[in-house]
Amino acid sequence: GQNIDQPTEMTATEGAIVQINCTYQTSGFNGLFWYQQHAGEAPTFLSYNVLDGLEEKGRFSSFLSRSKGYSYLLLKELQMKDSASYLCACMDSNYQLIWGAGTKLIIKP
Amino acid sequence: IAGITQAPTSQILAAGRRMTLRCTQDMRHNAMYWYRQDLGLGLRLIHYSNTAGTTGKGEVPDGYSVSRANTDDFPLTLASAVPSQTSVYFCASSDGTGGNSEAFFGQGTRLTVV
Repeated sequence: GQNIDQPTEMTATEGAIVQINCTYQTSGFNGLFWYQQHAGEAPTFLSYNVLDGLEEKGRFSSFLSRSKGYSYLLLKELQMKDSASYLCACMDSNYQLIWGAGTKLIIKP
Repeated sequence: IAGITQAPTSQILAAGRRMTLRCTQDMRHNAMYWYRQDLGLGLRLIHYSNTAGTTGKGEVPDGYSVSRANTDDFPLTLASAVPSQTSVYFCASSDGTGGNSEAFFGQGTRLTVV
């Protein structure tokens, strides 16, 4: 079966660095997405990885290892506005997105 | 402002009633999707459309139907609502169906079936 696993909740301190992990098992693989979702709002796109390695975009970076079925989202210089849920999603062989349940990130002052 | 719009924002619906959730996008995207989001679960695909005139079933299609008469609109209909359909519904669109096609989401419809 297809499965995406990510931690339910994480807590970090303002100004610090946090890494949110995601492991996946899918039928085929056509890339991995990270989305941010603030409470009561729609998900918004953060990053896309299809090749192994690190993609950096400002304070956010995303890493992929296809051989390990593993990705992480790295958030640096955390700000209070980064408090949100972070959704990991894989695109399978049919180009359908399979979503994880999301990681709720709580930022403390 | 270009984007994707859903209506209504929220709705309380009596069980057994018929309801259509509306979704319109003005980005000329080919692909559109309907998801439901429930606490503790990931977004689950209900139905999708890769292009106008075609639709497909997702992971949880039972009790729902869709149509795609044109590029812009993708309504979702609950023929006879049941309490288990209480959820937040998101419509999304993407430019294509390829690997790097970013999905844009509407603001969601919070539906409560009583």
